[in-house]
Amino acid sequence: QVQLQESGPRLVKPSETLSLTCAVSGSSITSDHLWAWIRQPPGKGLEWIADLSQGGTSDYNPSLKSRVVVSVDTSRNQFSLKLSSVTAADTAVYYCARENWEGAFDIWGQGTMITVSS
Amino acid sequence: EIVLTQSPGILALSPGERATLSCRASQSLISTSLAWYQQKPGQAPRLLISDTASRATGIPDRFSGSGSGTDFTLSISRLEPEDFAVYYCQQFDGSRTFGQGTKVEIK
Repeated sequence: QVQLQESGPRLVKPSETLSLTCAVSGSSITSDHLWAWIRQPPGKGLEWIADLSQGGTSDYNPSLKSRVVVSVDTSRNQFSLKLSSVTAADTAVYYCARENWEGAFDIWGQGTMITVSS
Repeated sequence: EIVLTQSPGILALSPGERATLSCRASQSLISTSLAWYQQKPGQAPRLLISDTASRATGIPDRFSGSGSGTDFTLSISRLEPEDFAVYYCQQFDGSRTFGQGTKVEIK
């Protein structure tokens, strides 16, 4: 059974960089899938942030592209998100997810609430 | 960027009734890469339908998807108590975007 688990600091100061890691268990991150980050501000809808392949090819939401870096660590079977210059508008539940080749997110982590505040 | 607009925003129905949820794209989707998700409070979204009409593993057959071009539909044939939730559509046609959601609530 494939499981994803997000981890990282829950509180980030404005202008700093948000860093999250998603640990993948039950499957190799080198399998034939993409790996994605999605967020959801409190009481609002879902926003795709970025995704990447095990080979390192990545794709970004144009509205966030200038602030986002995603990477994969095949030795640890995990992938990561860095979002720089955060503001209160970046406060959200952040999910990692597996993306299939039909473009659907078929497995999700439980999500982690990240608050941007001084 | 393709914008997905879902309607209605809120759908109030009784258990046993049929639910029909709409998702309209701002431009025609070249592929059939349209998915539907269910989200309950405090939980991650769950994939219901991918590729417009393919049910995900373990999804009951009362859930069905259809559509093409700019108009897509999620139907729930007979609402069960556990189906009252928020539903999102999502497209993958170059980039990935989600609709704003439809809340199915108990009437």
